[in-house]
Amino acid sequence: KQEVTQIPAALSVPEGENLVLNCSFTDSAIYNLQWFRQDPGKGLTSLLLIQSSQREQTSGRLNASLDKSSGRSTLYIAASQPGDSATYLCAVRRSEYGNKLVFGAGTILRVKS
Amino acid sequence: GAGVSQTPSNKVTEKGKYVELRCDPISGHTALYWYRQSLGQGPEFLIYFQGTGAADDSGLPNDRFFAVRPEGSVSTLKIQRTERGDSAVYLCASSLTYGSRFGTDTQYFGPGTRLTVL
Repeated sequence: KQEVTQIPAALSVPEGENLVLNCSFTDSAIYNLQWFRQDPGKGLTSLLLIQSSQREQTSGRLNASLDKSSGRSTLYIAASQPGDSATYLCAVRRSEYGNKLVFGAGTILRVKS
Repeated sequence: GAGVSQTPSNKVTEKGKYVELRCDPISGHTALYWYRQSLGQGPEFLIYFQGTGAADDSGLPNDRFFAVRPEGSVSTLKIQRTERGDSAVYLCASSLTYGSRFGTDTQYFGPGTRLTVL
């Protein structure tokens, strides 16, 4: 059974810092990995999706990497801003033919101004 | 355009009662998913529909939980004899298709229904 773990559970940083969120998964047979952002009272917003054949994806100040063989992914946020404060979730998808996502518990990020 | 909507946004009920949670997917999306998110946890898969049929209900915790999608659009998650442990945020998502390498299976999430069982 696939298990996804995210470290740290919570993180508080001053504005402007670069930071790294970690995600690990137990079964390396994944189709893709996705990072989501969740704001209180709102749904999940997809940030980045990395296919199993890719090593990284970038969008603006966000960069996500994937090391499928070791079961790890990182989300790098550059020059953090207070608006980045949210819960960040990673989710893995097992198969091209199935769209069931397995989520980690998330990292609660607070960026202080 | 309109995203996934869920009603009610909050539901408070008493132990033993019956509740229904509604999900309106993005128009034209054939696949619909229900997840449950307990406090401090990530969402857990409950069930998904392809059209009107439940194609995978392996995540439903027990037979008190049931979901329907009679016309292939709106879905209702039904919980009988609610228990305090059912308290969670119930998230709905939809995608244009289910299972595709072309990105048409990207899931779009609604804001969720927060269920509190007293």
